Amino acid sequence: EAQVTQNPRYLITVTGKKLTVTCSQNMNHEYMSWYRQDPGLGLRQIYYSMNVEVTDKGDVPEGYKVSRKEKRNFPLILESPSPNQTSLYFCAVGVAGPYEQYFGPGTRLTVT
Amino acid sequence: AQSVTQPDIHITVSEGASLELRCNYSYGATPYLFWYVQSPGQGLQLLLKYFSGDTLVQGIKGFEAEFKRSQSSFNLRKPSVHWSDAAEYFCAVAGRGAGGTSYGKLTFGQGTILTVHP
Repeated sequence: EAQVTQNPRYLITVTGKKLTVTCSQNMNHEYMSWYRQDPGLGLRQIYYSMNVEVTDKGDVPEGYKVSRKEKRNFPLILESPSPNQTSLYFCAVGVAGPYEQYFGPGTRLTVT
Repeated sequence: AQSVTQPDIHITVSEGASLELRCNYSYGATPYLFWYVQSPGQGLQLLLKYFSGDTLVQGIKGFEAEFKRSQSSFNLRKPSVHWSDAAEYFCAVAGRGAGGTSYGKLTFGQGTILTVHP
């Protein structure tokens, strides 16, 4: 069964302090993606990756970076977090290409 | 650009009643369409998907959805709701690239919260 691991699950940080949220999968799927969830806005895609070294912007990429150096990992990097990046973040893996996405448990980030 | 609208923010039904959650999409051609469910404090789980063919698709947990091209809709239905169906439901759309492949971009609606009364 597909397993998606996110770390940390909860994080409280201060404005401007760089942070990384890790995402890893236990399979060999090519597609991975990051989303943020905010009340009343649903999920919005931040970045996605079709394969190693192939990444593209989603709908809300500003303030975020990603890298895909190996297939199993897809970290989300906030170089200078701001309070408007306080949100619930989900990593997803495409178990049948991009079409059927399996979501991780989420990371709740608070930026003060 | 693709977009999804879920007109109902919150729906309340009685246990055993039928359910229909609305979803309207905007896309230049026939997209890939999905419904996901999120139980309180949980991640998202795929309920069903439409790629092509039969416009009535069956999913898990007794849910079904119907794709109506003329109305740009993909409404989710269940004939008899159970208390365990209380959750937030999200409709999503992915664009088709050349040769039927997706661009990889998935756009979600704002979600509909379902409350089930006993």
